[in-house]
Amino acid sequence: GAVVSQHPSRVICKSGTSVKIECRSLDFQATTMFWYRQFPKQSLMLMATSNEGSKATYEQGVEKDKFLINHASLTLSTLTVTSAHPEDSSFYICSASPSDEQYFGPGTRLTVT
Amino acid sequence: QKEVEQNSGPLSVPEGAIASLNCTYSDRVSQSFFWYRQYSGKSPELIMSIYSNGDKEDGRFTAQLNKASQYVSLLIRDSQPSDSATYLCAVMSASKIIFGSGTRLSIRP
Repeated sequence: GAVVSQHPSRVICKSGTSVKIECRSLDFQATTMFWYRQFPKQSLMLMATSNEGSKATYEQGVEKDKFLINHASLTLSTLTVTSAHPEDSSFYICSASPSDEQYFGPGTRLTVT
Repeated sequence: QKEVEQNSGPLSVPEGAIASLNCTYSDRVSQSFFWYRQYSGKSPELIMSIYSNGDKEDGRFTAQLNKASQYVSLLIRDSQPSDSATYLCAVMSASKIIFGSGTRLSIRP
């Protein structure tokens, strides 16, 4: 299957700071990537669709000014959590695909203190 | 009505038995269906994809799709303790993949 990487795998930051998470497709090009968030014991929630060269499409209820997405190349999308607060602590996972099948990155565990 | 529904479990199955996981979906025009396995603290891993009615087998896993009933299932034969995980059913709808809430499967030795 296709390989998707994420960096960092784990980050702890102070309330009010911003955190950037990178998602890379390693062996294919992806015009579209997806960002998900998962709270403990809950399912994946789609946050936004990242589109290469254009604006991201956000799901209802997701603040686009708080979760900034940049998809500047066919292999890299970044998610920046701005002015993070403890309630933003979660497991953030990206996915990408060379076809219909989505492949997930290993995830980034964000803890905001 | 949720777009993709799964029984949350936990589903407990003895080692060596068949585990049966079920999923229903609401978008009648969906054409692509997936099963993912997620271990605690890890991201989901694709197990099977299925696109046409009937059965699709891959090793110990069999996916079954019935579009008329809007139903997709996953059978795991000869269940092993390493199969204990949460299984997510996913359906492609309007160019997005929609996930069910997952079924927690526990294989007891």
